[in-house]
Amino acid sequence: GAVVSQHPSWVICKSGTSVKIECRSLDFQATTMFWYRQFPKQSLMLMATSNEGSKATYEQGVEKDKFLINHASLTLSTLTVTSAHPEDSSFYICSARWTEADTQYFGPGTRLTVL
Amino acid sequence: GDSVTQMEGPVTLSEEAFLTINCTYTATGYPSLFWYVQYPGEGLQLLLKATKADDKGSNKGFEATYRKETTSFHLEKGSVQVSDSAVYFCALSDRGGFKTIFGAGTRLFVKA
Repeated sequence: GAVVSQHPSWVICKSGTSVKIECRSLDFQATTMFWYRQFPKQSLMLMATSNEGSKATYEQGVEKDKFLINHASLTLSTLTVTSAHPEDSSFYICSARWTEADTQYFGPGTRLTVL
Repeated sequence: GDSVTQMEGPVTLSEEAFLTINCTYTATGYPSLFWYVQYPGEGLQLLLKATKADDKGSNKGFEATYRKETTSFHLEKGSVQVSDSAVYFCALSDRGGFKTIFGAGTRLFVKA
C-alpha cells in the first residue's frame, strides 16, 4: 500500500516553455503533498508543502510564480515549471501523506531537462 | 534548527563486508528517524524507521537504533550485496510527519 506515482518520469523541453508534473496517491487520500528538488549527487531540498484545497506553502527562496503548485484533490497535486530555463533542469520528487501517517511516501521522481 | 549529519561518501565495500553509515541529528522535541534508499534514477524508498528512543528499525538485513543519549541513528548491515549499491539518506521528521529534514546522503558501492 501507500503508492505514489509521478508522471512523466522524464521530460525534455525547450527554454521558455512550461512543463507540468503530476503526482498521484494511488491507494490513499493524501491530505498533504510535498515537492522536492534534487540536484545531482545532492540531497533533497523541500520546495513547497500543499494541503488539499488550499494554497501551497513555499520554502524560502523558492519562487512561487515560477513553480506553480496545485493540490486540487485528495489524490492529485501538480507542479508546473513556468518559462523553464536550463537552470531549472533537475530531478523533482513528490511525496504524500495522510493525516494519521507518521511518514511521507515518495514518488519515483521526474527528471526535467531544459534545453 | 533541526539538522541531520551523515558520513560523507562514497563508501566502497566488497560483497559480504560489514556496513556502517553514521548519522547524527540535532532536534528539538522528539523526532521520528528514518533511513531512505535511492537506487540510480529512482525516487526514495523508505528503508526503516524508529519513532522513539531505543527503538530499533530493521528491514532487508539493515538495522538502526534510535539513540537519544548520543543523538544517533547509525545504519548497519552485517553482509552487503552488490544490489545494495545505492544512496542512503538519513532523515528526521517532527511527530506529525509534516516536515522531513534529510542528511546529505551517502553513496554506497559494493564490489563483487
